[in-house]
Amino acid sequence: GDSVTQMEGPVTLSEEAFLTINCTYTATGYPSLFWYVQYPGEGLQLLLKATKADDKGSNKGFEATYRKETTSFHLEKGSVQVSDSAVYFCALSGGSQGNLIFGKGTKLSVKP
Amino acid sequence: EAQVTQNPRYLITVTGKKLTVTCSQNMNHEYMSWYRQDPGLGLRQIYYSMNVEVTDKGDVPEGYKVSRKEKRNFPLILESPSPNQTSLYFCASSFEGLRGGKLFFGSGTQLSVL
Repeated sequence: GDSVTQMEGPVTLSEEAFLTINCTYTATGYPSLFWYVQYPGEGLQLLLKATKADDKGSNKGFEATYRKETTSFHLEKGSVQVSDSAVYFCALSGGSQGNLIFGKGTKLSVKP
Repeated sequence: EAQVTQNPRYLITVTGKKLTVTCSQNMNHEYMSWYRQDPGLGLRQIYYSMNVEVTDKGDVPEGYKVSRKEKRNFPLILESPSPNQTSLYFCASSFEGLRGGKLFFGSGTQLSVL
């Protein structure tokens, strides 16, 4: 079945460092891909999305490109801030109903 | 304000005592879903509903029930809770359909079953 694999955390970075969180997927057909973020004590919220191959999703300085040839959707940010500390989930829309399938999440901690 | 509201935020109960976690959305969304979040396992879908009176099992439905009598409400029922249902639960809803749209999540319900 469809699945998402993302790098295990936790990831600890200093402020202004470059961030990459790897995400690869297995899916039949052409799913949409998403990154969600969960700040401490809150529910998940959509960070960015891409609906077809070669699309780049971007928001709040984060970017991810839908790479069909490598089945990847890696999340990147050029300069992280303390306020980016959160858990990041990669997800795809899969199955006959298009339900979201989530990765296990990657916890990011940014130190000042 | 557009939102998904879950109650209660925290709940401690004992094995076998029936409980209901409520979920309500004010965005006229057709799709609603319940997830549980466990350390090392990420989010797993329990049940979902594509519209009123239409519900389907997700990946981990055992021990749970849901109903969708009205568009805005989607309660999660644990008829006989067990300790392995101790978890953080999230309700979510969506309007556009998942292939292009996004899920709106509630703030979560932390459930402890003793």
